[in-house]
Amino acid sequence: DTGVSQDPRHKITKRGQNVTFRCDPISEHNRLYWYRQTLGQGPEFLTYFQNEAQLEKSRLLSDRFSAERPKGSFSTLEIQRTEQGDSAMYLCASSWPGQGYEQYFGPGTRLTVT
Amino acid sequence: KQEVTQIPAALSVPEGENLVLNCSFTDSAIYNLQWFRQDPGKGLTSLLLIQSSQREQTSGRLNASLDKSSGRSTLYIAASQPGDSATYLCAVWGGDKIIFGKGTRLHILP
Repeated sequence: DTGVSQDPRHKITKRGQNVTFRCDPISEHNRLYWYRQTLGQGPEFLTYFQNEAQLEKSRLLSDRFSAERPKGSFSTLEIQRTEQGDSAMYLCASSWPGQGYEQYFGPGTRLTVT
Repeated sequence: KQEVTQIPAALSVPEGENLVLNCSFTDSAIYNLQWFRQDPGKGLTSLLLIQSSQREQTSGRLNASLDKSSGRSTLYIAASQPGDSATYLCAVWGGDKIIFGKGTRLHILP
């Protein structure tokens, strides 16, 4: 297993467009997390899944944001009607109970909204 | 509401020195605490995980301690090297949320 992967690595979009990001976790990991990080800040928690169930959503996750993990494997994060304030690095992580839920992060998707 | 603070925000030290990074949190009811490093423009690399029942963890030149009662964790780096230059982040898991500090930017001077 090569670790957590994210696609695309970079995305430039115009304001008002919809974008979708994909995260593939480490295969045996049952938990998957999404974060947003802006320059000079620590990652901000957005949401997490245990298998296919979405267990927690941050207030940061407005109605324009939706995340899915339909089969408990990969996950997608969609942002509708993007705004310039959505420009950030979107990070995905996964974990499993056998390692005390130690989180392993992917390389991130950098979103630029013009 | 859990708040995580990391001090100092930035640190420059000569190569070879031992150093300590600090992380404090306001709510002691945590499940675990994890230290990461982040290189510019990259994702996070896990360094050490300390579960709530543990007091410290060690990996190579790194040692992390946890004192839940005082709401503090420290990351000790021994014999620092230029390759240790990065941003170091701590994250606290409590309830169903994970809260990160803003990080300490570490620069090791050759």
